[in-house]
Amino acid sequence: QQQVRQSPQSLTVWEGETAILNCSYEDSTFNYFPWYQQFPGEGPALLISISSVSDKKEDGRFTIFFNKREKKLSLHITDSQPGDSATYFCAASGTNAYKVIFGKGTHLHVLP
Amino acid sequence: EAAVTQSPRNKVAVTGGKVTLSCNQTNNHNNMYWYRQDTGHGLRLIHYSYGAGSTEKGDIPDGYKASRPSQENFSLILELATPSQTSVYFCASGETWGEAEQFFGPGTRLTVL
Repeated sequence: QQQVRQSPQSLTVWEGETAILNCSYEDSTFNYFPWYQQFPGEGPALLISISSVSDKKEDGRFTIFFNKREKKLSLHITDSQPGDSATYFCAASGTNAYKVIFGKGTHLHVLP
Repeated sequence: EAAVTQSPRNKVAVTGGKVTLSCNQTNNHNNMYWYRQDTGHGLRLIHYSYGAGSTEKGDIPDGYKASRPSQENFSLILELATPSQTSVYFCASGETWGEAEQFFGPGTRLTVL
């Protein structure tokens, strides 16, 4: 059972545009949502995260918007740069959870 | 800085052969994980460990064994490799459960012929 869903699978934007990556989850006990960024040939690395007590988390050009009632969140990348081209994984875990559940990822392509 | 290393980085094995993937972390994290990444499936958890001497089954443990002989080292063992186990394998470490960052290694690309 897939508990974390991401859309779209692939997204292409022009340099300078805002990229919006979507994520939804099913388990209402999830309360921590990290986003990982992965470049080709490398392992994923934590980009930004949010806990369920917040509805927004900002870090430079990266912002997470969180809607607990609808069990949805989104990652907004403003002023997208070609260097942002990567795969982005939305993930979820609960308090004292033994593991993090990863979505299948969104491949982002930023064209110069 | 957190450091997770994996060896080998690339491996070609024959069907029915034994394969051991190794992972070392210098973060002194209690928790370690093995994932595989396949197109269309994202990251799937194979085995994890709470600390030296412990191993636990993840979501897709069939065909894999794990070993955690020390805090620093966590191995993934394929006793009888099959072509369906061709994938990229990632090791990760993390400090606590719940709200904790996982630090990933660079991955091992395994091809089983």
